[in-house]
This record gives sequence, structure tokens and C-alpha cells, in this order.
Amino acid sequence: DAGVTQSPTHLIKTRGQQVTLRCSPKSGHDTVSWYQQALGQGPQFIFQYYEEEERQRGNFPDRFSGHQFPNYSSELNVNALLLGDSALYLCASSLYRTGIEAFFGQGTRLTVV
Amino acid sequence: GENVEQHPSTLSVQEGDSAVIKCTYSDSASNYFPWYKQELGKRPQLIIDIRSNVGEKKDQRIAVTLNKTAKHFSLHITETQPEDSAVYFCAASKAGYSTLTFGKGTMLLVSP
Repeated sequence: DAGVTQSPTHLIKTRGQQVTLRCSPKSGHDTVSWYQQALGQGPQFIFQYYEEEERQRGNFPDRFSGHQFPNYSSELNVNALLLGDSALYLCASSLYRTGIEAFFGQGTRLTVV
Repeated sequence: GENVEQHPSTLSVQEGDSAVIKCTYSDSASNYFPWYKQELGKRPQLIIDIRSNVGEKKDQRIAVTLNKTAKHFSLHITETQPEDSAVYFCAASKAGYSTLTFGKGTMLLVSP
């Protein structure tokens, strides 16, 4: 049983560009949440997707958007990249509103230069 | 929204000693409190969790305590080993929701 998988593992982008990160949830899970983890900080919640809709959103600008597909996989898009967007982006999957523990992927390390 | 404070930010202990990490939360509606261990360059991994209907939970050398009145919870690691060295994060979540609010983390260093 595969856990949560994310791609790519590392990415370098130039300021102003756009980036798309991908996540496949753990088998049996239907909810995907995205987190941003800056160096030396705890993960910060970006948004959560369930049934292909954004259900909750953290304190992130509209430059951050997402999508969930019928197979529960998800994408995180960031437009107009800033240097401050450099971070580890983590995807976590779970079962919606069950309180079941969230499983994290390995993350995508995004560096904006 | 929820706010989680975590202390200390760094903790150095000798192998075999105990380690305690403390967290406080602000939202009284939070009722699920997981602890994650994150080794360098790896994903956060759940090591133990507690729900608000329980005051204490143990799993071998790891235990978590919860004081709902004071809105704080703690991680206790006994007989620490060098492989316990990592960054530990506490988090809080509300009933039925799977979004987590994390503390800023504690870097635990266990010296042989």
C-alpha cells in the first residue's frame, strides 16, 4: 500500500514564474491538505480539498490555488512566485471529517531564486 | 483561529535521560492533539496522539498528557536514545476536521 506521494521532490524556479506541485493520497483517503513549511518553522495550513472542492483555507494569498481530481489526487499551484515562497510543501491525506490521523508525503522542496 | 505555542525550541539531553516538550493551545474547541517527529529532510511522522476525552496516553517510552482546563499538553520521552534526535512538532485540531495547527517545533538532541 503506497503512502502519500508527492512530485517533484525538488524544484528551482525564478521569481515571477508559476509552479505546480502534485500529490497522490494514501489509498482509501479522500481528503488532501497542503501545508507550507519554511525553514526552521512548523507546517502552516494552506488549504484542504474534498470532493474536488476547496473546503478550508488558511491565511495564504490568492496566488496559491489548488485542484482535486476524481481519483482524489491534488495539485497546488503558485503564481507570481516570490523569494519568500521558498519552502518545503507538504501534502497530507486523511478521511474527511473523521478525525483520522493525517499522513504526510515527503514534500516538495521549492527554491525561488 | 487556533494558535499553538511550543516550548522549548531546543532541548539537549544525555542518553538515558527524560525529555519533556510542552505545548499550549488557544481554541477550547480543539480536541485532537497529535505529535509528529521530523528527521532532517524527511516527512513529519505521527508518533502519538491524544483526544480530549483522555488525560494521558502511553506508548512504550513515549507518553502524552493533556490538561483541557489549562489548555496545554506535553510530550514525555523516557530513556532517550540518540535515534530520538529530531524535530518534534505538536499540533491541534477540531473535532471531525483534519486540518492541523502546528507549533514551531522543538529540536531534540540526545548525546551518547
